[in-house]
Amino acid sequence: EAGVVQSPRYKIIEKKQPVAFWCNPISGHNTLYWYLQNLGQGPELLIRYENEEAVDDSQLPKDRFSAERLKGVDSTLKIQPAELGDSAVYLCASSFGQGELNEQFFGPGTRLTVL
Amino acid sequence: SQKIEQNSEALNIQEGKTATLTCNYTNYSPAYLQWYRQDPGRGPVFLLLIRENEKEKRKERLKVTFDTTLKQSLFHITASQPADSATYLCALGGGAGKSTFGDGTTLTVKP
Repeated sequence: EAGVVQSPRYKIIEKKQPVAFWCNPISGHNTLYWYLQNLGQGPELLIRYENEEAVDDSQLPKDRFSAERLKGVDSTLKIQPAELGDSAVYLCASSFGQGELNEQFFGPGTRLTVL
Repeated sequence: SQKIEQNSEALNIQEGKTATLTCNYTNYSPAYLQWYRQDPGRGPVFLLLIRENEKEKRKERLKVTFDTTLKQSLFHITASQPADSATYLCALGGGAGKSTFGDGTTLTVKP
């Protein structure tokens, strides 16, 4: 069974350019998460979807970040325009069901470098 | 504000010994706590979950304790092996499936 798929694995862009990350969760998982992870730190939640609805986007910098999960399956996270401080690993995770006890399955992440 | 603290420094132990990692938290009342393992260049992998009304949970060589009075969880790896070398993250779970992660502790097991 395939795990969480993310692409690209690496992305290098210049500041002020747009960038997009794609995530395909494990089949049947209705909850999808996007996290940001800086070096030496734990993942920080950006947005959580229950099916196609964004139920927690309180930590998403909405002036430059956007996300969508139109059909409740795969998802795209976009940054426009990117800033130097956006350099980090962007992780996608999925889980089955809602509420507590949600074991999250993570993808390998996309490492973004903004020059 | 909410704060999660894991071992501030990396942990180095000899193969065969027991590794003990700590996760302390403040200004938080988690319904459950999870432990994840993360290898370089990869996403975290779920290991164990312990609920607030559970004191201890075991899985093979792993043992987790949860003391809501001390606001602390301990994560033990017995008979440690070099393959256990990784970063271990604790995550506190609140309502509606939201988890907040600590910054992790890097464990190195030397042969």
